[in-house]
Amino acid sequence: DTEVTQTPKHLVMGMTNKKSLKCEQHMGHRAMYWYKQKAKKPPELMFVYSYEKLSINESVPSRFSPECPNSSLLNLHLHALQPEDSALYLCASSLGGRGTEAFFGQGTRLTVV
Amino acid sequence: GQQVMQIPQYQHVQEGEDFTTYCNSSTTLSNIQWYKQRPGGHPVFLIQLVKSGEVKKQKRLTFQFGEAKKNSSLHITATQTTDVGTYFCALPFGNEKLTFGTGTRLTIIP
Repeated sequence: DTEVTQTPKHLVMGMTNKKSLKCEQHMGHRAMYWYKQKAKKPPELMFVYSYEKLSINESVPSRFSPECPNSSLLNLHLHALQPEDSALYLCASSLGGRGTEAFFGQGTRLTVV
Repeated sequence: GQQVMQIPQYQHVQEGEDFTTYCNSSTTLSNIQWYKQRPGGHPVFLIQLVKSGEVKKQKRLTFQFGEAKKNSSLHITATQTTDVGTYFCALPFGNEKLTFGTGTRLTIIP
């Protein structure tokens, strides 16, 4: 199984809502990532988990809260988002360390209204 | 944060023409990766380059790593409509961080 599965595929939420994005992989990868991608822009790194511990937070606003319940799962909790947070949110995983390829999920297309 | 420039930003070619995108870093790299993202899709890993001056081929795609390990290129020979998408280089910083270049969007005129 070389897939990274993300749910939901699409999400529309109001600025006062709380929602969660989910990501799952069963490749035994020790590093998991959240990226945000706006239209016609490259993916921007948000968070990295290594061995289920948060290793990188790219100064992401606290309205985004990551969680890694176990080595296969990664969540992104959303609260009080702004319309400018509308984007494609991509989860990825890799074996970790330099020079290991990242496997991406299909993404969650988020619209904040 | 780090910004990795790719040129050109856009490229429109007739089907059958060649295409090249360049990735430039201000610092020496340990390795570089290339990804392709189809319209509406997600990034998919193509290849990794590690050695100075390295050249790797995948069918019509040729990847090159500069001698100084600060730049890289992806060349596609005789483009086909299936080559449409955005091509990103990706650079590792530290152990876990992977930063994407600005990307080159390729469109093909049939």
